[in-house]
Amino acid sequence: SQTIHQWPATLVQPVGSPLSLECTVEGTSNPNLYWYRQAAGRGLQLLFYSVGIGQISSEVPQNLSASRPQDRQFILSSKKLLLSDSGFYLCAWRRTGSFDEQFFGPGTRLTVL
Amino acid sequence: TQLLEQSPQFLSIQEGENLTVYCNSSSVFSSLQWYRQEPGEGPVLLVTVVTGGEVKKLKRLTFQFGDARKDSSLHITAAQPGDTGLYLCAGAGDMRFGAGTRLTVKP
Repeated sequence: SQTIHQWPATLVQPVGSPLSLECTVEGTSNPNLYWYRQAAGRGLQLLFYSVGIGQISSEVPQNLSASRPQDRQFILSSKKLLLSDSGFYLCAWRRTGSFDEQFFGPGTRLTVL
Repeated sequence: TQLLEQSPQFLSIQEGENLTVYCNSSSVFSSLQWYRQEPGEGPVLLVTVVTGGEVKKLKRLTFQFGDARKDSSLHITAAQPGDTGLYLCAGAGDMRFGAGTRLTVKP
């Protein structure tokens, strides 16, 4: 069976500090991978998606970046965090080329102070 | 970009009441998905509707896909506190979600 992991679960960082959030998927190969951000009580904002190693598409210009160094690893980064980067970050995967459901990770709660 | 609008944004009802939430777009979707998200967790798929006019039932939840495949509704009968959560729609194959309806069912 497939599983998706995210870490850390929670993170409190000062403004201007760097960020690295990691997402890994097990039990499947060549998945489509997604990063979403969710503000408190709001819907999901698509940040990045990837259809393969080294392939990253950005949806919203911002001070975040993503990388996919391995088939089942997706990393969200920032060099300098802003207060507005606070939120709930969700990673998701979907089978390549399918319209099947997206499977979401448990999320990372980021607070920038 | 296919924009999905969900209404109402917030809904607070008493246990036992019925409710309907909506997902609308000006675009046609090949299929549409409904997810439910509980606080502090990721969304979980409830249903995928594929055919225009399709109606799917999941216990007390009834999902309908519009004939033109531009809109969908979710009806909950006799809501229970366990139905509390954020209900999100997404165009299958697209990666974008509506803003969601936050439902609170009070005991």
